[in-house]
Amino acid sequence: KNQVEQSPQSLIILEGKNCTLQCNYTVSPFSNLRWYKQDTGRGPVSLTIMTFSENTKSNGRYTATLDADTKQSSLHITASQLSDSASYICVVSGRVGGATNKLIFGTGTLLAVQP
Amino acid sequence: NAGVTQTPKFRILKIGQSMTLQCTQDMNHNYMYWYRQDPGMGLKLIYYSVGAGITDKGEVPNGYNVSRSTTEDFPLRLELAAPSQTSVYFCASSQGTGELFFGEGSRLTVL
Repeated sequence: KNQVEQSPQSLIILEGKNCTLQCNYTVSPFSNLRWYKQDTGRGPVSLTIMTFSENTKSNGRYTATLDADTKQSSLHITASQLSDSASYICVVSGRVGGATNKLIFGTGTLLAVQP
Repeated sequence: NAGVTQTPKFRILKIGQSMTLQCTQDMNHNYMYWYRQDPGMGLKLIYYSVGAGITDKGEVPNGYNVSRSTTEDFPLRLELAAPSQTSVYFCASSQGTGELFFGEGSRLTVL
């Protein structure tokens, strides 16, 4: 079964600290992997999109890594700010059930940054 | 450039009522999608469209209908609302299979 699993489910860190969120997937074949940030009560906003040939991509203080061999991705947040408090969703695109480029959403990691 | 706009933001329906969630985008994207998000679950695709006049079912289409008469608009119709349709609904658009742009969501409660 094609799945996207994220860990931890939730995380609390102090402002200024770094953190790393994990995403493991079983979608195969794989087209790309995306990370989204979803603030409470808002729609998801794209952070990064990586294809299988990319193993790292940065967007400001957010750095995503991808290991297509082990089917793992991580999102590293540097020098966290209160505004980083949100749910971070990993999304994998691949061929599922004959449909190409189907998006499989993880359930997200809920990050709380405390002062 | 407003992006993806959804209305209404909140709605309470009684069982058996019908309603339409509106979605419009001003980015001239060809692909549009409707997702629902339930607590503790990943977003699930209800319907999608790859262009005006073309729609197709996603993972959870039962109880819903869509139309795509223009590039900009992609309304989602709920017929005979049921408590299981209580959820947050997100409309999204993309140029091809690239980056998704989401609306702010429509929170629907069916009582």
